[in-house]
Amino acid sequence: QVQLQQSGPGLVKPAETLSLTCTVSGGSISRYYWNFIRQPPGEGLEWIGYVDYSGTSNYNPSLKSRVTISLDMSKSQFSLKLTSATAADTAVYYCARGFDDSRGQDAFDLWGQGTVITVSA
Amino acid sequence: QSALTQPRSLSGSPGQSVTISCTGTSSDIGGYDFVSWYQQHPGKAPKVIIFDVTKRPSGVPARFSGSKSGNTASLTISGLQAEDEADYYCCSYAVNYIWVFGGGTKLTVL
Repeated sequence: QVQLQQSGPGLVKPAETLSLTCTVSGGSISRYYWNFIRQPPGEGLEWIGYVDYSGTSNYNPSLKSRVTISLDMSKSQFSLKLTSATAADTAVYYCARGFDDSRGQDAFDLWGQGTVITVSA
Repeated sequence: QSALTQPRSLSGSPGQSVTISCTGTSSDIGGYDFVSWYQQHPGKAPKVIIFDVTKRPSGVPARFSGSKSGNTASLTISGLQAEDEADYYCCSYAVNYIWVFGGGTKLTVL
């Protein structure tokens, strides 16, 4: 069965770049949109952005100037980089499988385990 | 793109039905049939319970149902059970290939 495994540091210094990688195992990267979603402590979910199977990406307008999501098909991985991190970026970060382009179905139906990332000196 | 609007909290007794509303605009909920709902228990990742407005993934009980009218989507839970106590989030595709979540509703089973 398809699984998403997240990896990356749990502590980032202010002004540095937050990085997170999600490895897709047991299935194909093709036909889906691959997303990052975050949840600040005690708050709701915020969609960060996606990269699709062709490498096309798009981002939440509120984060667009600082976010890059990229795809490495050879490793079945997709990655998040968020520059100029501040305390407001402290959250649980999730990767998630999204829109199925071949079926036209839209759901975040598979989630990573979540990574707590704290931005602090 | 602003967050979708959900009630912050709701409650119901076992066996009752509850409906959670999710209000957006013609640029998101009203413009596309790509509304999904997520259930999140404390300390866990969210789980999709409704997608494409009305569809249930396999394994999700039939007492969860979704609907949409204009710019407002709704999630109805019939025959409320203790394990339904959780946070619920709506989400919609919006114009220009972005997705937007609601602020979340905390459901308490009395």
